[in-house]
Amino acid sequence: AQSVAQPEDQVNVAEGNPLTVKCTYSVSGNPYLFWYVQYPNRGLQFLLKYITGDNLVKGSYGFEAEFNKSQTSFHLKKPSALVSDSALYFCAVRDTGFQKLVFGTGTRLLVSP
Amino acid sequence: NAGVTQTPKFRVLKTGQSMTLLCAQDMNHEYMYWYRQDPGMGLRLIHYSVGEGTTAKGEVPDGYNVSRLKKQNFLLGLESAAPSQTSVYFCASSGWDPLTADTQYFGPGTRLTVL
Repeated sequence: AQSVAQPEDQVNVAEGNPLTVKCTYSVSGNPYLFWYVQYPNRGLQFLLKYITGDNLVKGSYGFEAEFNKSQTSFHLKKPSALVSDSALYFCAVRDTGFQKLVFGTGTRLLVSP
Repeated sequence: NAGVTQTPKFRVLKTGQSMTLLCAQDMNHEYMYWYRQDPGMGLRLIHYSVGEGTTAKGEVPDGYNVSRLKKQNFLLGLESAAPSQTSVYFCASSGWDPLTADTQYFGPGTRLTVL
């Protein structure tokens, strides 16, 4: 079965510093990978996805993600964090056969001023 | 264009009571989903639908029923609520256009407490 793992429950970073939120995946076949963000008391919002092509995927709000096949990782990155980036981030992978998504457990990002 | 809407936003039930959560989307999407979100467990798929009149079980379907009588609506029912169903419920939808397929659009959620 397809799965993703987010090894960090929480990531703390100072405003202006680069941030990384980690995700590793386990799939059979080619991975379709996603990042979503959830702000407090809101639904999830799509950030970016990797299906094929360039290993560096650019998304919304200045975020990008690096697909690494040899390390089976899909880490979310941003060069300079903002306080407003503080939220819950979910990595997800498309399940086999149909466009269902399997989500990770989420990583809370806290950006301090 | 409201996207995906959910009603109600909050609800408190007593054990054994029933209720229906309504999800509506105005993007003409074929696929719709119901998830529950619990601390430390991420989102888990309850049921989903690939089109009007169809439903299928997801990862955690027990205790829930769904119906998709109209393309734009997806209803989630709890026939006899249990405290284990205390959670935040999210509805999502996605289209079949190859350019946007797999991108799910989420509603704002329903916070349900079962006492």
